[in-house]
Amino acid sequence: QQQVKQSPQSLIVQKGGISIINCAYENTAFDYFPWYQQFPGKGPALLIAIRPDVSEKKEGRFTISFNKSAKQFSLHIMDSQPGDSATYFCAASRSVGADSGAGSYQLTFGKGTKLSVIP
Amino acid sequence: GAVVSQHPSRVICKSGTSVKIECRSLDFQATTMFWYRQFPKKSLMLMATSNEGSKATYEQGVEKDKFLINHASLTLSTLTVTSAHPEDSSFYICSGNYRDSYNEQFFGPGTRLTVL
Repeated sequence: QQQVKQSPQSLIVQKGGISIINCAYENTAFDYFPWYQQFPGKGPALLIAIRPDVSEKKEGRFTISFNKSAKQFSLHIMDSQPGDSATYFCAASRSVGADSGAGSYQLTFGKGTKLSVIP
Repeated sequence: GAVVSQHPSRVICKSGTSVKIECRSLDFQATTMFWYRQFPKKSLMLMATSNEGSKATYEQGVEKDKFLINHASLTLSTLTVTSAHPEDSSFYICSGNYRDSYNEQFFGPGTRLTVL
């Protein structure tokens, strides 16, 4: 299947708290799992990404945890700030053809999580 | 690096007219470009994938005669919405990647289309 399930749909976190967004997938062919941040009226921007050979990746306040056996991955935002208020999308990528060139990879997005960080 | 621009950022048109949206990779050669559609408060839905110099591959349910995609060069792809109707009003976003970027896609800022 192509579906990537994301939860929660919306999240309210106090400033300084930890924001946690979860995603699950079915297709074991997925081999790249990025998270995107999108502000209203803007295109999505890559936040952080992980490959299935790694269980955790940290970049600044953002951490991805990846559980290959459970087919789940999550985004943790430490010390959440009002400026982090945005919609976050998880995604998964897989090759869609025999050609290993760049054009063979498609992204499947989760439905998004609207994060609101309140002062 | 890996910057993608879109033009226009917003367009309003009358029902029945055609609208062209440009997507440019500014500092890399995009061997593949993707076009997405996003409804308010919804996720991105892939419309089509295009490789430079070849015909676009459309996702199921996307009318290829209505959404014309051209990827004539490694830095430019265009999406033309033909005979636009109010239901075509949406946020259209393009992305591109290059051969060594594999899975990673670089997104444009989007184009808001409103059809009256």
